[in-house]
Amino acid sequence: GEDVEQSLFLSVREGDSSVINCTYTDSSSTYLYWYKQEPGAGLQLLTYIFSNMDMKQDQRLTVLLNKKDKHLSLRIADTQTGDSAIYFCAETGGSYIPTFGRGTSLIVHP
Amino acid sequence: DAGVIQSPRHEVTEMGQEVTLRCKPISGHNSLFWYRQTMMRGLELLIYFNNNVPIDDSGMPEDRFSAKMPNASFSTLKIQPSEPRDSAVYFCASKEGRDYGYTFGSGTRLTVV
Repeated sequence: GEDVEQSLFLSVREGDSSVINCTYTDSSSTYLYWYKQEPGAGLQLLTYIFSNMDMKQDQRLTVLLNKKDKHLSLRIADTQTGDSAIYFCAETGGSYIPTFGRGTSLIVHP
Repeated sequence: DAGVIQSPRHEVTEMGQEVTLRCKPISGHNSLFWYRQTMMRGLELLIYFNNNVPIDDSGMPEDRFSAKMPNASFSTLKIQPSEPRDSAVYFCASKEGRDYGYTFGSGTRLTVV
């Protein structure tokens, strides 16, 4: 079946850039998503990218997609303490039902 | 819009009791999903509905779990009887159409003692 892999933790200093990486196996992926989950809350859609794009920028967020390598990344510029959360990568294939990764806990320290 | 509304936010129950979790999707969203989140298994899709009809319940762990969607604005997930291993955060999510991401509710944290 489809699989989405992420590293479990990332620690960065406030003001630095964060890069969260994700790999997936489904070659028929259509949409790829990044969600953010803050403590005690549900997942919040941050951004998504269609599979025929290779980059999408939205303020401090940059999504890069390498479809050949099935690699997706989320870059957060000027990371702030409020960015501390769990970030989930997800992809949809032909079923349009997302497969989620296990999530990457981003820890921002002063 | 108030978003996806789940109730209760927290539920503590004794093993063997029946538990009912509730969800109100966003008005106009035609798909509804129930997820379970645990540290061990991450986010698992339990069941999803399209236009109030259950489409795929292959993620429902056992016959103790059942879900209904009697109308477009309400769904329930029931566990009977509950067991300690059912302790988790249960999320409901809804979406419109096929192309965009879900909107998640805030979840119900279930503890079975």
